[in-house]
Amino acid sequence: NAGVTQTPKFRVLKTGQSMTLLCAQDMNHEYMYWYRQDPGMGLRLIHYSVGEGTTAKGEVPDGYNVSRLKKQNFLLGLESAAPSQTSVYFCASSPFGQGMFSYEQYFGPGTRLTVT
Amino acid sequence: SQQGEEDPQALSIQEGENATMNCSYKTSINNLQWYRQNSGRGLVHLILIRSNEREKHSGRLRVTLDTSKKSSSLLITASRAADTASYFCATVAKNSGGSNYKLTFGKGTLLTVNP
Repeated sequence: NAGVTQTPKFRVLKTGQSMTLLCAQDMNHEYMYWYRQDPGMGLRLIHYSVGEGTTAKGEVPDGYNVSRLKKQNFLLGLESAAPSQTSVYFCASSPFGQGMFSYEQYFGPGTRLTVT
Repeated sequence: SQQGEEDPQALSIQEGENATMNCSYKTSINNLQWYRQNSGRGLVHLILIRSNEREKHSGRLRVTLDTSKKSSSLLITASRAADTASYFCATVAKNSGGSNYKLTFGKGTLLTVNP
């Protein structure tokens, strides 16, 4: 039982390049989330999904796209990377309940992305 | 401003001492969650306390919730060097439209436990 895994762990991009971050969970969780963490700030929600085939915008969605084609995977895409997207990205999942945040979230180890 | 804000921003104690961290928030909540993050790692859930609960325990952790004061505290008893980490509170409350819940993380308290 690996929990939540993220690939890659580190990545350096040049401005304008694109990339996809992959998140996988093996806990059969309904809900999945993508966050970014910047120094001196709490985690901020980028996008989330309440089930296979569904996605929705979070607090800071601009410049990102997501897809959830399979229940266990949640992909985060950067179409044209910008230096402002330099951050640590965390994926999380949580089980189905009475609302999206009614139970604890399980986090992946993070992806450290630098855009030059 | 943040819905949940931790206090203090940093705390340094000796092994064996107790550590108390506080979280204040502004609007009514559905639940409040505490997480730990070791340097360079993902967040790990510690305790979730619902708005109708006042206290919860888990091992050496004790969380209290005072909805009248809109505050929560996390107490770690008999601290160990391995407790060194950042601790975040996250509040779950209705969003501005009232149609969905929103989870907001604070900026965290950096706890250092010296051996």
